[in-house]
Amino acid sequence: EDQVTQSPEALRLQEGESSSLNCSYTVSGLRGLFWYRQDPGKGPEFLFTLYSAGEEKEKERLKATLTKKESFLHITAPKPEDSATYLCAVQVYTSGSARQLTFGSGTQLTVLP
Amino acid sequence: NAGVTQTPKFRVLKTGQSMTLLCAQDMNHEYMYWYRQDPGMGLRLIHYSVGEGTTAKGEVPDGYNVSRLKKQNFLLGLESAAPSQTSVYFCASRGQSNEQFFGPGTRLTVL
Repeated sequence: EDQVTQSPEALRLQEGESSSLNCSYTVSGLRGLFWYRQDPGKGPEFLFTLYSAGEEKEKERLKATLTKKESFLHITAPKPEDSATYLCAVQVYTSGSARQLTFGSGTQLTVLP
Repeated sequence: NAGVTQTPKFRVLKTGQSMTLLCAQDMNHEYMYWYRQDPGMGLRLIHYSVGEGTTAKGEVPDGYNVSRLKKQNFLLGLESAAPSQTSVYFCASRGQSNEQFFGPGTRLTVL
């Protein structure tokens, strides 16, 4: 069974204090790993897709990296507006065509001014 | 370009009542999905559709039915609501690069 575990569950940072969120996965065959941002009361917003170990993607203060067992979302010099829940999801190779995502339970990030 | 929209935004039902949640997308996507999100459990797939007129079960399909009569619309039905179906429901459609675009959600409470 495919499993996705995110840690920590919650993280509080001071503005400017860099840190990393972790997403570890156990899957039969990884097709892609996705990062989403979710603000309270809203739907998840797509951030990145990573396909192979060693791949990195960047967007403003965020950088996502991928290894064969886990992915990290690095946040450099965060600002209060980066406060949100960050979700990780995996897509695996299956015999069907649904290309479903299996989500982790998220990391709730709070950046204090 | 509205993306993915969902109606209603909020709903309160009594046990045993029925309702339909509507999802619409204007991006001409083939694939559409219904998820539920519960505290500490992440998003779980209920049903999905790979094209007009097709539907399939996801991880937690019991108690729900779906229909995809038009490409742009994906409906989620609850025939006899139960308190265990209290949740936030999200619809999504899949883009060409495999990413899923989500709607704003429907918050459902079943008393």
